[in-house]
Amino acid sequence: QVQLVESGGGLVKPGGSLRLSCAASEFTFSDYYIIWIRQAPGRGLEWVAEINTSGSTTYYADSVKGRFTISRDNAKNSLFLQMNSLRAEDTAVYYCARVFLSGVAGYYFDYWGQGTLVTVSS
Amino acid sequence: QSVLTQPPSVSGAPGQRVTISCTGSSSNIGTGYDVHWYQHLPGTAPKLLIYANNDRPSGVPDRFSGSRSGTSASLAITGLQAEDEADYYCQSYDSSLRGVFGGGTKLTVL
Repeated sequence: QVQLVESGGGLVKPGGSLRLSCAASEFTFSDYYIIWIRQAPGRGLEWVAEINTSGSTTYYADSVKGRFTISRDNAKNSLFLQMNSLRAEDTAVYYCARVFLSGVAGYYFDYWGQGTLVTVSS
Repeated sequence: QSVLTQPPSVSGAPGQRVTISCTGSSSNIGTGYDVHWYQHLPGTAPKLLIYANNDRPSGVPDRFSGSRSGTSASLAITGLQAEDEADYYCQSYDSSLRGVFGGGTKLTVL
């Protein structure tokens, strides 16, 4: 059974930093792109950051570019999100999800973690 | 403002059929990228419900179906059940933005 388990969320002051982790199991982690998706209170799902299989290529939403860094450790089956210069609008539940590439048809997210809550408030 | 547009809410009585629309543009659905649907119950992990426009993962009942045409897609749920009450999100790929979602639709079973 594919599992993704997020950790590292919590309460942080504006301008602060937080590092999220996502532990993967029961699949060959290094074969898949992985993504961070968030849901702010009362809002919909938002694509945040994405990383390729080796970690050599990363993509970011404009809202987090320059502040967040996605990385992975394939030897430890782990994904990370380093979040700096946090703002109130970054308050959300953060999910990691496995990406299924559909070639020219795009991609979708076939397995998700339960999420970890990040609250940015003074 | 989400890149894909969904109605904020839909409702139906048990046993009825409901549909949820998802409208995109020429840079995502209109390009031919597939549309996928997720079911999300508060406090739980979102669940893949429909992938590649109208395919169901193992375990998803055939009461759920999807379609895509032009720059739009839709999710249909027949034989509505109380357990279907949840938020539903469409998702596609965008040439510029990569993964894009709809704003979500809250389904209420009356």
